[in-house]
Amino acid sequence: DQQVKQNSPSLSVQEGRISILNCDYTNSMFDYFLWYKKYPAEGPTFLISISSIKDKNEDGRFTVFLNKSAKHLSLHIVPSQPGDSAVYFCAAIQGGSEKLVFGKGTKLTVNP
Amino acid sequence: DTAVSQTPKYLVTQMGNDKSIKCEQNLGHDTMYWYKQDSKKFLKIMFSYNNKELIINETVPNRFSPKSPDKAHLNLHINSLELGDSAVYFCASSQRMNEQYFGPGTRLTVT
Repeated sequence: DQQVKQNSPSLSVQEGRISILNCDYTNSMFDYFLWYKKYPAEGPTFLISISSIKDKNEDGRFTVFLNKSAKHLSLHIVPSQPGDSAVYFCAAIQGGSEKLVFGKGTKLTVNP
Repeated sequence: DTAVSQTPKYLVTQMGNDKSIKCEQNLGHDTMYWYKQDSKKFLKIMFSYNNKELIINETVPNRFSPKSPDKAHLNLHINSLELGDSAVYFCASSQRMNEQYFGPGTRLTVT
């Protein structure tokens, strides 16, 4: 039972353009959402997060949008850079729990 | 000055053997975790310890036993290894309710 879904296994964009990575969730008790970035042979690294009381959080080139009614969040990267090429994991956590639930990841390739 | 470190990075062993993976964090975090990333690339939590106390224990075979000698270390011992145990195992740490910091992973291959 996948509670966090990333339906696009891969995404390819041109350098300088916007990358949009999508994530859907089914558990309405999730109240905190995170995006992680993973390079090959390394562990995931935290990128950006958003609380369920907000609908947008921005950090430099990265913005996360949350649509609670649709149980959907997205990560926007603009402008995209070749160094952004990695696997991006969406994750969610329920209040009071230590348990992060991850999506399957989306592999982003930014072409020069 | 790696924040979360794991050893070994690669581990190849035969079925039936017992092996351990070590994890250390120097971030002063109270909570540590073990995750498994299987062949389908899902990252799933296995265990979590807070100040040496087990707080999350997912449905994991009891061949897997975590041990936390102190809050900076969380080791994973696996008995009677099976082919299906082949995966990448990630250790992580966090302060409660904050983002988790992951180690580089240990790729376990059981032959």
